[in-house]
Amino acid sequence: EPEVTQTPSHQVTQMGQEVILRCVPISNHLYFYWYRQILGQKVEFLVSFYNNEISEKSEIFDDQFSVERPDGSNFTLKIRSTKLEDSAMYFCASRSPTGSQETQYFGPGTRLLVL
Amino acid sequence: AQSVAQPEDQVNVAEGNPLTVKCTYSVSGNPYLFWYVQYPNRGLQFLLKYITGDNLVKGSYGFEAEFNKSQTSFHLKKPSALVSDSALYFCAVRDIEGGSYIPTFGRGTSLIVHP
Repeated sequence: EPEVTQTPSHQVTQMGQEVILRCVPISNHLYFYWYRQILGQKVEFLVSFYNNEISEKSEIFDDQFSVERPDGSNFTLKIRSTKLEDSAMYFCASRSPTGSQETQYFGPGTRLLVL
Repeated sequence: AQSVAQPEDQVNVAEGNPLTVKCTYSVSGNPYLFWYVQYPNRGLQFLLKYITGDNLVKGSYGFEAEFNKSQTSFHLKKPSALVSDSALYFCAVRDIEGGSYIPTFGRGTSLIVHP
């Protein structure tokens, strides 16, 4: 069964550094998402992406964040200048353009720790 | 506005016993409701959903959930728990009239099934 993959699985960075989290969505999916979960808290929506542009974003997704689909397979989340409070598990998800609109397929997550 | 609550951080059950993982929701209109499961080092996997129709929804791995509009609940159930069911379970809701395709997730409930 096809899966969403994410790299790296863990990343430790210094405050103020830039990080790029990578995702490879399922190949025929066209809708892409980033979520995050701070330890012990809810899974929070960050951004959705379709047709090479952001379709929705939350208040969390400020100017420090950006997303890109640099080629036909990768979907990246960049945090320009990380803050301590960016420490969280970041999940990528993708959705098929056909069938149920409601079923998103999630990757295993990248655990980001900002020191 | 849409929100979901999972009142239990952890549920413990003995193998072979029935299990219930609780979820309540709040939406302005009518809800789409979902359950996802996360096994260690894996992404969130879709279990089941309620869109419309029969209030009892059957999903993967023998799980089912009952939509109760009067109690605004969507509890996840299984008649006989397995040790392999031990995982993190997330409830999610989307307001059908909300204009967004983005679900709101709960904090997750850790299910531990003891042999």
